[in-house]
Amino acid sequence: QQQVKQSPQSLIVQKGGISIINCAYENTAFDYFPWYQQFPGKGPALLIAIRPDVSEKKEGRFTISFNKSAKQFSLHIMDSQPGDSATYFCAATRYLYNQGGKLIFGQGTELSVKP
Amino acid sequence: DTGVSQDPRHKITKRGQNVTFRCDPISEHNRLYWYRQTLGQGPEFLTYFQNEAQLEKSRLLSDRFSAERPKGSFSTLEIQRTEQGDSAMYLCASSLEDSLNEKLFFGSGTQLSVL
Repeated sequence: QQQVKQSPQSLIVQKGGISIINCAYENTAFDYFPWYQQFPGKGPALLIAIRPDVSEKKEGRFTISFNKSAKQFSLHIMDSQPGDSATYFCAATRYLYNQGGKLIFGQGTELSVKP
Repeated sequence: DTGVSQDPRHKITKRGQNVTFRCDPISEHNRLYWYRQTLGQGPEFLTYFQNEAQLEKSRLLSDRFSAERPKGSFSTLEIQRTEQGDSAMYLCASSLEDSLNEKLFFGSGTQLSVL
């Protein structure tokens, strides 16, 4: 019930295309769903996040779509660029007031954007 | 550089030796997290601190692991009697308490190789 399942494991997209990465979760108590981007040799960096009270959030070329009933959420990267080539992780947590929220990460998707 | 700093970046040790890693969080961040990441996987939560108090420890953290955060500033993670299975990237993250949208900032990690 604590798992977050992510797919696909790897993704190759042409420059200018749309990259789509999907995640599914089991624990309905989760209330915060961030996406992280990680380049080789670096730690993950927060890209965009969503709470379950909205179905979509957009920041620049990055959009999260959230389906609460299906317990799924996805990351869409519009107009994908070679510089977007990285590993992407979805995550989820249940925030407990004054105690913080540990993140449960998906397995990661290695994105390669071809020029 | 005002990001999360980890030292050392790489550590090679022999099985059975003790190792210690250091993490300097972003100043004024009161929460500090340790995660472990193995190749091709997402980070796994190990433990976290709010100020100097260690509030949660994962079952992944055996009794050979200990973490401290004296005075609520930097943190150390010690692994005693290292085993080959301890080989991984150890990531530190910090955050400023935010009731609904906690944002973790990760360091670049310490890559541990146990021979």
